[in-house]
Amino acid sequence: DADVTQTPRNRITKTGKRIMLECSQTKGHDRMYWYRQDPGLGLRLIYYSFDVKDINKGEISDGYSVSRQAQAKFSLSLESAIPNQTALYFCATSDFGGGADGTPGEQFFGPGTRLTVL
Amino acid sequence: GQNIDQPTEMTATEGAIVQINCTYQTSGFNGLFWYQQHAGEAPTFLSYNVLDGLEEKGRFSSFLSRSKGYSYLLLKELQMKDSASYLCAVRVISGYSTLTFGKGTMLLVSP
Repeated sequence: DADVTQTPRNRITKTGKRIMLECSQTKGHDRMYWYRQDPGLGLRLIYYSFDVKDINKGEISDGYSVSRQAQAKFSLSLESAIPNQTALYFCATSDFGGGADGTPGEQFFGPGTRLTVL
Repeated sequence: GQNIDQPTEMTATEGAIVQINCTYQTSGFNGLFWYQQHAGEAPTFLSYNVLDGLEEKGRFSSFLSRSKGYSYLLLKELQMKDSASYLCAVRVISGYSTLTFGKGTMLLVSP
């Protein structure tokens, strides 16, 4: 069974529509992230959450909002979709890392949602 | 902000060795990660360096020099399945610790 799941896997929508992408994890991690990936631009951080009551903007949060419904669930919403939000969206989770014990705290990624806004 | 540079594309032959470089400029450095990403799939974790030196994991090794802001990923005995994009990412301590990713290096392994 997948540890990090995303729904839907593919979505085509029209300009102006509100849509929600959902992410669930069974890894027991507190930290969750949303990224978008565009050809030639790499992975860019949209929002992140280090626990249920914590929400932070990333590099490119304009036009997006998030909700952390539980430790295991983190949703990304596009309030009014526009064509330049067409991209591959990834959710990721991690444990704490970078402390003195040397634990990396690497991120584990979901399978991605391919979103097309017409 | 952070600036991370890596070559856009590289080609190599099956069975060969290839080195993918990554340079970065940042403050508050707290670790460098390498991920592998096959086309249309999720990135998967390969390696982590936080201290200077070489970390070896089977056919893959990663090196870090913090004073030079430089890392490389070394892939030995290349296989066709190693054709993928390789992402360098840096973690910075700045209140919250998040990753900044480079744009990735697309590696094509030919027979």
